Amino acid sequence: NAGVTQTPKFRVLKTGQSMTLLCAQDMNHEYMYWYRQDPGMGLRLIHYSVGEGTTAKGEVPDGYNVSRLKKQNFLLGLESAAPSQTSVYFCASSSLAGFEETQYFGPGTRLLVL
Amino acid sequence: GQQLNQSPQSMFIQEGEDVSMNCTSSSIFNTWLWYKQDPGEGPVLLIALYKAGELTSNGRLTAQFGITRKDSFLNISASIPSDVGIYFCAGLKDSNSGYALNFGKGTSLLVTP
Repeated sequence: NAGVTQTPKFRVLKTGQSMTLLCAQDMNHEYMYWYRQDPGMGLRLIHYSVGEGTTAKGEVPDGYNVSRLKKQNFLLGLESAAPSQTSVYFCASSSLAGFEETQYFGPGTRLLVL
Repeated sequence: GQQLNQSPQSMFIQEGEDVSMNCTSSSIFNTWLWYKQDPGEGPVLLIALYKAGELTSNGRLTAQFGITRKDSFLNISASIPSDVGIYFCAGLKDSNSGYALNFGKGTSLLVTP
């Protein structure tokens, strides 16, 4: 049981390049989330999904797109990377119960945009 | 999202000392959570609090959900070197945000042997 996995673990991009971060969970969770973590800022919600085929904006969605084509996968895309998107990205998932169910986090993807 | 005010920002203590950190908010949360993050890893849940006034322990960790539902604290007793890491409080409001979490900025804990 792998839990929540993220690929890649680390990536360097040039300004304007695009990339997709992949999150996969094997716990059959309905809810999935993408957060970014910056120094001194804690974790902030980018986008989330309450089920396959549905996505919604979080606190800091600009510059990102997401897709949830399969229940177990949640993709985060950067169409034109900017230096301000240098951050550590964490994916999380939780069951349908949500309220009294813990969120499980992946190990993170470290992104550097030059 | 609602910003949580977490303090202190960092702590540098000796092994064996007790630690206390807290989190406050101007709005009400239905659930308070405390996470620990080790370097290069994702946050891991330590304690979850679901009811106002609730006091919950997990080994050397004790956390309380404030009566007003606007604050929570975490205590670590008899600290050990492996307690080193960043501790985050997180509040969960309701289903309108897909049960997403609002995080504090973290308390960085260093423990010297």
